[in-house]
Amino acid sequence: DAEITQSPRHKITETGRQVTLACHQTWNHNNMFWYRQDLGHGLRLIHYSYGVQDTNKGEVSDGYSVSRSNTEDLPLTLESAASSQTSVYFCASSVSRGSEAFFGQGTRLTVV
Amino acid sequence: DQQVKQNSPSLSVQEGRISILNCDYTNSMFDYFLWYKKYPAEGPTFLISISSIKDKNEDGRFTVFLNKSAKHLSLHIVPSQPGDSAVYFCAASVTGTASKLTFGTGTRLQVTL
Repeated sequence: DAEITQSPRHKITETGRQVTLACHQTWNHNNMFWYRQDLGHGLRLIHYSYGVQDTNKGEVSDGYSVSRSNTEDLPLTLESAASSQTSVYFCASSVSRGSEAFFGQGTRLTVV
Repeated sequence: DQQVKQNSPSLSVQEGRISILNCDYTNSMFDYFLWYKKYPAEGPTFLISISSIKDKNEDGRFTVFLNKSAKHLSLHIVPSQPGDSAVYFCAASVTGTASKLTFGTGTRLQVTL
């Protein structure tokens, strides 16, 4: 079955370290997204991509970067992890603009 | 500034009764609305959506109502079942922005026996 997977599921890192969260989907969806979920904020969009080589900033992009070298993957990099980036991160993909997004199971990141 | 608001953090309903979850939005550019359901330690899963050209969309036990003039939508679950216990997120987007969603803060629904 086609799916979207995130790795790792849990990660603890130190302040200042570079961290990369992986997202891989097998639906061949053009559109991929990264959200973070925090209490009192719901899910907020970090970065998104409409296709290979395309990346765009979302609502809370500071301190994060993404790259899209193929259709299947959109890794999220925290250049220098901060405690404020402790959160649950969700990757999602969708087949077309305006269509519903399918989410991965999430990565819980703790920055100490 | 929260553009999509779910003012009830939690809701408890008896099994078999109707659950009504509410959502308000402030951005008049939103024209596509979705509800997602989330269980603990899982990603959100799509439940139902509605375009702004409609005022109602139904899928089995789930119905979403949209009142554009009031910038309000609601999700009705009839009848409620214990398996419906989850966090429900309302989300909105502008068609053409590829599911670039703005989410509410969520409402935790508990369906009791």
